Amino acid sequence: DIQMTQSPSSLSASVGDRVTITCRASQDVRDDLGWYQQKPGKAPKRLIYTASILESGVPSRFGGSGFGTEFTLTINSVQPEDFATYYCLQHTRFPYIFGQGTKLEIK
Amino acid sequence: EVQLVESGGGLVRPGGSLRLSCSVSGFIFNDHYLDWVRQAPGKGLEWIARSRDRFRGHTTQYAASVEGRFTISRDTARTSVYLQMFGLKTEDTAVYYCTRSTFGRGNFDSWGQGTLVTVSS
Repeated sequence: DIQMTQSPSSLSASVGDRVTITCRASQDVRDDLGWYQQKPGKAPKRLIYTASILESGVPSRFGGSGFGTEFTLTINSVQPEDFATYYCLQHTRFPYIFGQGTKLEIK
Repeated sequence: EVQLVESGGGLVRPGGSLRLSCSVSGFIFNDHYLDWVRQAPGKGLEWIARSRDRFRGHTTQYAASVEGRFTISRDTARTSVYLQMFGLKTEDTAVYYCTRSTFGRGNFDSWGQGTLVTVSS
């Protein structure tokens, strides 16, 4: 199985900060990588697919990059509604594997 | 509007069975992949089962953790996807989400609200 290592596992930031979350795949996943946001008690929501394509309706302060084994999710100027848990997902090969999550908290 | 609504969760004894349902609307049912993703309490996300679109013959795929115990199926007339679960274990306790994917546009673009399955004696 392809393993996804996400870092950091938690992150404190202030409103207006720029934050970066990293996901590393144990094998080449090309650009078959998505990012998801989950708020407590809610279903996840897709933010980014194919590593860098922003889902319709997602604010442009969210951005994704990377190819192969290293990927990043960047949030420029974090807003109060962005405090949540973020997951990456590789879907190049079964079983599809999510990263373990990064909890973004208010500093 | 795309909607996925799960039902059928509840409390079940270890070794028991349960069938989850997901009723969908707002899109062409057979033109999309439908998957189940689960989340144990306080834990991360785990993909467990897929039903492919009609172009790929509605073929199925399972995670090793559920293969042989869970079966995914779909009913076109009811625009619903199901997850039949047998031989339930305490580690199957989770919120189960129904999701939609579109070939060539990544995965899990839409999610239901989830249904909680608790396996306990």
